[in-house]
Amino acid sequence: NAGVTQTPKFRILKIGQSMTLQCAQDMNHNYMYWYRQDPGMGLKLIYYSVGAGITDKGEVPNGYNVSRSTTEDFPLRLELAAPSQTSVYFCASSESLLQGDTIYFGEGSWLTVV
Amino acid sequence: AQSVTQLGSHVSVSEGALVLLRCNYSSSVPPYLFWYVQYPNQGLQLLLKYTSAATLVKGINGFEAEFKKSETSFHLTKPSAHMSDAAEYFCAVSRRSFGNEKLTFGTGTRLTIIP
Repeated sequence: NAGVTQTPKFRILKIGQSMTLQCAQDMNHNYMYWYRQDPGMGLKLIYYSVGAGITDKGEVPNGYNVSRSTTEDFPLRLELAAPSQTSVYFCASSESLLQGDTIYFGEGSWLTVV
Repeated sequence: AQSVTQLGSHVSVSEGALVLLRCNYSSSVPPYLFWYVQYPNQGLQLLLKYTSAATLVKGINGFEAEFKKSETSFHLTKPSAHMSDAAEYFCAVSRRSFGNEKLTFGTGTRLTIIP
């Protein structure tokens, strides 16, 4: 069972560069999320999507963009990378947006901006 | 606003000893509460969740948690620690009037098991 797949797993970027973190899920979930995890800070929601063509900002969206052209894919784009974006990024999905529904996480993407 | 506080960023217990990870929540309405576990270099995995059924919730790997409204707590316990329990544990809360996009995570507790 593949679940939620993220690529790349590790990446080093220079300040000002751009990149896209890829995320795909094979569970036919309508709802997908991008989180960042910083040491001692827990997880913060960057963006989420309730279905193809529909995205919305989370708690910390600045410096990021997303798109959702298909149910399966939810890429996260970093424009003009900054050191503050050094973090671990997790993509996730759930069957519904209902409170209490289980969220399934990918294995994470470690990004360092130097 | 809702929030969750995990007491102790690091907890160490001996193998075979009781595991107790503390979580207190703040919510103006009845919450849904979750415990997630993160093993090294992996994503988060749901351990258990409270969604207003029984206040004592049993999860995977022998873990359980009890919802105590009077104490606004949702502490995670396991009677006997195993080496494989070494991981980071996150408590999370969501308000029943909102969806998953409003899920709020705690800062995590790293559990170390001493042989």
